[in-house]
Amino acid sequence: NAGVTQTPKFQVLKTGQSMTLQCAQDMNHNSMYWYRQDPGMGLRLIYYSASEGTTDKGEVPNGYNVSRLNKREFSLRLESAAPSQTSVYFCASTRDLSSGANVLTFGAGSRLTVL
Amino acid sequence: AQKVTQAQTEISVVEKEDVTLDCVYETRDTTYYLFWYKQPPSGELVFLIRRNSFDEQNEISGRYSWNFQKSTSSFNFTITASQVVDSAVYFCAPLGWSGATNKLIFGTGTLLAVQP
Repeated sequence: NAGVTQTPKFQVLKTGQSMTLQCAQDMNHNSMYWYRQDPGMGLRLIYYSASEGTTDKGEVPNGYNVSRLNKREFSLRLESAAPSQTSVYFCASTRDLSSGANVLTFGAGSRLTVL
Repeated sequence: AQKVTQAQTEISVVEKEDVTLDCVYETRDTTYYLFWYKQPPSGELVFLIRRNSFDEQNEISGRYSWNFQKSTSSFNFTITASQVVDSAVYFCAPLGWSGATNKLIFGTGTLLAVQP
């Protein structure tokens, strides 16, 4: 079972370049999330999509855009990368978090370096 | 909104010692859930436990146990007889349920290093 698949796993960008992180899940989950992880900061929520067709800002949305392409896919775009966006990015999904009955399943992470 | 504090940034123990990771949370919701996740050196995030606010019984799973105390807003995690494989970053996360909550906010994590 693939679970949550993120691509690419590693990426190096120059300041000002753009790129899109892709995330796909095969568990028929309704909700999808993008987090970033920085040393000493834990996991911080960037954007999430509670259901297909909706997206909402998380704790640190500035500099990012997202697209819920369909139920399976949720992409994160950096339009003009900055060194402050150097981080490890995690995509996660769940059937429905609102009741707490379900848990997040995470992808393996994407390490992004902006020079 | 939920907030969580994991005051211990790093803990180092010697194998076979017991260790407790602290988690203090804040929520205005009367119904809520609490989660613990583990992130080993390989980097993946692994779900450990979910507890709802109605159930204050402690939970034990092998060497792992969780102490939930609503009165002090704490949900602490104890590893008994720690092993090197327990070395990881551990995250606590509260989830308030007000009928419209769909996001899980994590604490900053506690790095546990178990020395052989």
